[in-house]
Amino acid sequence: DIQMTQSPSSLSASVGDRVTITCRASQDIYNYLAWYQQKPGKVPKLLIYAVSTLQSGVPSRFSGSGSATDFTLTISSLQPEDVATYYCQKYNSAPRTFGQGTKVEIK
Amino acid sequence: EVQLVESGGGLVQPGGSLRLSCAASGFTFSSYEMNWVRQAPGKGLEWVSYINSVGRITYYADSVKGRFTISRDNAENSLYLQMNSLRGEDTAVYYCAKDRGGGATPFDYWGQGTLVTVSS
Repeated sequence: DIQMTQSPSSLSASVGDRVTITCRASQDIYNYLAWYQQKPGKVPKLLIYAVSTLQSGVPSRFSGSGSATDFTLTISSLQPEDVATYYCQKYNSAPRTFGQGTKVEIK
Repeated sequence: EVQLVESGGGLVQPGGSLRLSCAASGFTFSSYEMNWVRQAPGKGLEWVSYINSVGRITYYADSVKGRFTISRDNAENSLYLQMNSLRGEDTAVYYCAKDRGGGATPFDYWGQGTLVTVSS
């Protein structure tokens, strides 16, 4: 099975900072990569799919990039409401594995 | 408005069984693939199972294969997860999640989750 590895596992940044989270697949997953945001005590929310397509209603400060096995989620200017855990997911085939998550906090 | 409402969680002893339900509304349920995802307390997301729109194709995580069964009733707009031989490590919030649609797609709507606790 394909493994999904995120880094870092947690980060602390200041409001307005550019934040980057990396997700690496153990095999080529083409463009079948999604990012989810889970705020504390809340349900996961789809942010980005197909590597770089923003889900409707997602602020433009979020962006995704990458290909094959290496992918990145970028928050261009971190806001207080972005405090959450972020997960990548491969969805091209089963198992539809999630990364272990990256917890983002405000410094 | 799309709504997914899970039910059926609770406390069960190791080795016991539980059946989770997910009532769907606000979209054409029979047209979409569905999934179960779980999250153990303080842990990350774990995909559990998938079922295609007509219920004929199913997949499972290795951790639940042979013990869990996913099914759906398109006439009732409902998704189910039959969980047998439950273990402590199955303790988690279980979410039903809808595929975005159009082939292999991520999950665009999630229910609020139902808590399953496996303990003696």
